[in-house]
Amino acid sequence: AQSVTQLGSHVSVSEGALVLLRCNYSSSVPPYLFWYVQYPNQGLQLLLKYTSAATLVKGINGFEAEFKKSETSFHLTKPSAHMSDAAEYFCAAGGGSNYKLTFGKGTLLTVNP
Amino acid sequence: DAGVIQSPRHEVTEMGQEVTLRCKPISGHNSLFWYRQTMMRGLELLIYFNNNVPIDDSGMPEDRFSAKMPNASFSTLKIQPSEPRDSAVYFCASSLGFNQPQHFGDGTRLSIL
Repeated sequence: AQSVTQLGSHVSVSEGALVLLRCNYSSSVPPYLFWYVQYPNQGLQLLLKYTSAATLVKGINGFEAEFKKSETSFHLTKPSAHMSDAAEYFCAAGGGSNYKLTFGKGTLLTVNP
Repeated sequence: DAGVIQSPRHEVTEMGQEVTLRCKPISGHNSLFWYRQTMMRGLELLIYFNNNVPIDDSGMPEDRFSAKMPNASFSTLKIQPSEPRDSAVYFCASSLGFNQPQHFGDGTRLSIL
């Protein structure tokens, strides 16, 4: 069965600092990978998706993620954090004929002034 | 373009009452998902519809929960009778199919007193 692990339930950075949110997946089939962001009292919003076209994926709001098959990782980064990036971030994986997306437990990002 | 629309946004009711949550998916999407989000359990998939047909309801907690999709533009999730442990945020999401991004509504925050 597919599993997604997000390392760190809470990450705190200073404004302007690098953001790194970690995600590892387990899959016996080529994965489809997604990052979502959830702001308070809102639904999950798609940040970016990996579908095998390119290993480095650029998303909205300056975020990007790199697919590393050897490490089964899909970490999310942003060079410079902004206060408005404070939210919860979810990594999700699908693959093969499985319609389900498996979600990680989420990482709460705090941005300090 | 209109996203996934859920109603109501908030529902407060007493234990034992019937609760009906509503969802309008994005036009043209053939897959619809109902999720429940709680602090303890995170994001849980309750039921999945494809082309208006329930494909997997293994996540529905018990017989008190039921879901329907009478047409491609409307779905309901019903809880009868409701219990305090049903209190959660319920999300509806839709997608174009396998391994496509799921687009989430803003959720219904349900409180059962």
